[in-house]
Amino acid sequence: KNQVEQSPQSLIILEGKNCTLQCNYTVSPFSNLRWYKQDTGRGPVSLTIMTFSENTKSNGRYTATLDADTKQSSLHITASQLSDSASYICVVTVLMFSGGYNKLIFGAGTRLAVHP
Amino acid sequence: EAQVTQNPRYLITVTGKKLTVTCSQNMNHEYMSWYRQDPGLGLRQIYYSMNVEVTDKGDVPEGYKVSRKEKRNFPLILESPSPNQTSLYFCASSQGLAGNYNEQFFGPGTRLTVL
Repeated sequence: KNQVEQSPQSLIILEGKNCTLQCNYTVSPFSNLRWYKQDTGRGPVSLTIMTFSENTKSNGRYTATLDADTKQSSLHITASQLSDSASYICVVTVLMFSGGYNKLIFGAGTRLAVHP
Repeated sequence: EAQVTQNPRYLITVTGKKLTVTCSQNMNHEYMSWYRQDPGLGLRQIYYSMNVEVTDKGDVPEGYKVSRKEKRNFPLILESPSPNQTSLYFCASSQGLAGNYNEQFFGPGTRLTVL
């Protein structure tokens, strides 16, 4: 069964600290993996997208890593700011060979709170 | 400004009263999709459309209808809402298929409560 699991469910850190969010998936065949940031009351916004051949991708203070062998990804946030308080969603795409439509599997997200 | 808009943002209704949630994008995207988001669960796709007059079911289509008469609009219709359709709904669009390395843009969400 294609699944995406994220940990932890929630996390509280102090402003200025670093943190790492985890994403494990059992999706096969794999096409790509994305990380989204979702502020409370808003729609998700894309942070990074990686194919199986990419090990790391950065977007400012956000760095995503991908290990396609172990089917794990992480999102590292450096020098956290209050505005980083949000849910972070991992999304993995299943490669569908028929019909031309690749299916997206969403994780439940990690809720991050950055405190002053 | 490139964006996906949804209306209404908040809606409280009663069981069985037909409603429509509108979605519009100004990016000339071909692909549009509807999702619902429930606590503790990832977003689940309801319906998607790859172009005008081309729609297909997602993972949880029961109780919903859609139409794509124009490229920019993709309304979600609940013919007879029930309490289990209480959820947060998102519309999204992308230039090509969302799974094919194309960035997907999400609307601000519509919080629906069915009493």
